[in-house]
Amino acid sequence: SSELTQDPAVSVALGQTVRITCQGDSLRSYYASWYQQKPGQAPVLVIYGKNNRPSGIPDRFSGSSSGNTASLTITGAQAEDEADYYCNSRDSSGNHPVFGGGTKLTVL
Amino acid sequence: QLQLQESGPGLVKPSETLSLTCTVSGGSISSSSYYWGWIRQPPGKGLEWIGSIYYSGSTYYNPSLKSRVTISVDTSKNQFSLKLSSVTAADTAVYYCARHYYDFDHYMDVWGKGTTVTVSS
Repeated sequence: SSELTQDPAVSVALGQTVRITCQGDSLRSYYASWYQQKPGQAPVLVIYGKNNRPSGIPDRFSGSSSGNTASLTITGAQAEDEADYYCNSRDSSGNHPVFGGGTKLTVL
Repeated sequence: QLQLQESGPGLVKPSETLSLTCTVSGGSISSSSYYWGWIRQPPGKGLEWIGSIYYSGSTYYNPSLKSRVTISVDTSKNQFSLKLSSVTAADTAVYYCARHYYDFDHYMDVWGKGTTVTVSS
């Protein structure tokens, strides 16, 4: 099992707001990065650091953190946001990267 | 813009060594602040970080794979490579290479398209 825990599946109605969470002890000390992966494609970085978006990522994607939980929020979800989302941070030792198990987002 | 491309055999026999190369184009592998990493994804499963290397040759590996993994870099060719020894069917996966920013924060901001490796006799 991963040191970062994600809900396996989340759904959201088109245009509504959804929060995808990632829990782990290392998140008390380190930020998470978030990746979107569509079927048959490579992951794409959508959030890194405190709340930074790479160029080209819509501003409806945002990140936050509290205690041992990091969150990715999509405000006004679109059909094209349907994908798997993975968080990434350090393991409990703080030495190595580790991914969460992933959350499958369905946009209804 | 920066692009990464994985290459290598798509089929490897059990107990043999998997070898992949990632070619970096549109930028230098010798960029400061960036490591270069390998990540894999078994069919229908999640992402697993394998290891990363700095252009100087400094490496760090996933503890669960460390005994079987070697990552090397060739700055003259702008390439880095992965070797995974003693493979089994459990090593069947899509293998990605990625640019890995590694400081207090870390993230992987540029990914290759991935290459599928099947372990089978």
